Amino acid sequence: GAGVSQSPSNKVTEKGKDVELRCDPISGHTALYWYRQSLGQGLEFLIYFQGNSAPDKSGLPSDRFSAERTGGSVSTLTIQRTQQEDSAVYLCASSLAHRGDTQYFGPGTRLTVL
Amino acid sequence: EDQVTQSPEALRLQEGESSSLNCSYTVSGLRGLFWYRQDPGKGPEFLFTLYSAGEEKEKERLKATLTKKESFLHITAPKPEDSATYLCAVQVPRGAQKLVFGQGTRLTINP
Repeated sequence: GAGVSQSPSNKVTEKGKDVELRCDPISGHTALYWYRQSLGQGLEFLIYFQGNSAPDKSGLPSDRFSAERTGGSVSTLTIQRTQQEDSAVYLCASSLAHRGDTQYFGPGTRLTVL
Repeated sequence: EDQVTQSPEALRLQEGESSSLNCSYTVSGLRGLFWYRQDPGKGPEFLFTLYSAGEEKEKERLKATLTKKESFLHITAPKPEDSATYLCAVQVPRGAQKLVFGQGTRLTINP
C-alpha cells in the first residue's frame, strides 16, 4: 500500500507567520511520530500519538509548536510565530504501535523561515 | 541518558571496496536498534531492525550485526548506488517509544 505522505514538500514563510504541516500515515498504523531534522542536529523527536491516548509532547521545543491528530489518522503540526531557528526538515513516521515496531518515514516537509 | 554515536562521519570508498560503519549506543533496556538509509532530499528508508545481541540481518550488499554496546553495518563490494547517509537509531523503551538517532555516516562510493 501507500507509504507515509506529507504536504507540502517545501514551505517558505516569513518570520512571525504561522505554518501548518500535514502528515497522512500508512493505513492501519495507530502510532504517529513527528521528528525534526536540522543541519548539524540530526533527527530529534517532537511528538507522539498512539490511538486515542493523550499525545506525548515531551519533545516539542516551545509552546509555539502544537500538533493534533484527527480521527486517529491524519496529523497536523502547527508552528506559530515562526522563527528562523525553526527552519528544518519536519519528518513524520508511523508504525503499527507494538513495542519494537518499525517506524516508516514520509518524505518530509522542508521549512524555510526568512 | 540515551545516546547514539556513529562513526565515521563520512566515508569515501572505491566501488568494490568493502567496509563497515559503526553505531555505539547507550540506552537502558534496548527495545530495538534500527538502520535507515537516507538519500538527499528524502525521508529515511528502513533497512533493518535488530533486537538482541548476536543477531544479524542481511539485504543484498548490506549486513547488520548487534552486540550489547554497538552495531555494525557491513557493506560488501559496494556500488555507486549505495552512496547515501546511513542512520542508526535506538528505540527508547519508555513513554513514546521514540527513536534516538545518531548523526549518521555519509557514504560515498566512487566508480
